[in-house]
Amino acid sequence: KQEVTQIPAALSVPEGENLVLNCSFTDSAIYNLQWFRQDPGKGLTSLLLIQSSQREQTSGRLNASLDKSSGRSTLYIAASQPGDSATYLCAVHTGTDKLIFGTGTRLQVFP
Amino acid sequence: KAGVTQTPRYLIKTRGQQVTLSCSPISGHRSVSWYQQTPGQGLQFLFEYFSETQRNKGNFPGRFSGRQFSNSRSEMNVSTLELGDSALYLCASSLARQFSGANVLTFGAGSRLTVL
Repeated sequence: KQEVTQIPAALSVPEGENLVLNCSFTDSAIYNLQWFRQDPGKGLTSLLLIQSSQREQTSGRLNASLDKSSGRSTLYIAASQPGDSATYLCAVHTGTDKLIFGTGTRLQVFP
Repeated sequence: KAGVTQTPRYLIKTRGQQVTLSCSPISGHRSVSWYQQTPGQGLQFLFEYFSETQRNKGNFPGRFSGRQFSNSRSEMNVSTLELGDSALYLCASSLARQFSGANVLTFGAGSRLTVL
């Protein structure tokens, strides 16, 4: 059974810092991995999608990497801003055609 | 371009009642998926509808059901509500099947259900 874990559960940093959020999954047989952002009381916004054949994806200040063999993905946020404050979720698409979400990392960036 | 619209945004029900939630996908999107989000269990997949047919189902009891109309709008129904059904219910739409290639999901803001 696929399990997805995110560390840390919460993170509070001053503005301008570079951050790394971690996502681990137990079954390396995945089709893709996605990173989402969720603002309080709102739905999810897709940030990056990495296909199983890819090693990384970049969008602006965000960079996500994928190491299938070790069951790990990282989301790198450069020069963090208060507007980055949100919960970040990773999700893996498994062979059973389901999207398994991690428990999320709650990020707070203070001025 | 309108996003995914979910109604109602908030609702309160009592145990034993039933509830129907609605999801209008982005125009042109044919797949609608439903998820339940709770503090204890996180986000869990309920089911996916594509072209008015349920294509995939998560591990939820039969009290949870859904349907999709010809215009791709979808409804989910929960019967005989239990306290544990209190959650944020999210729907997501996509052009193709949820898990085809690099298909990106667009989520709605959710319907927050409280069961008393």
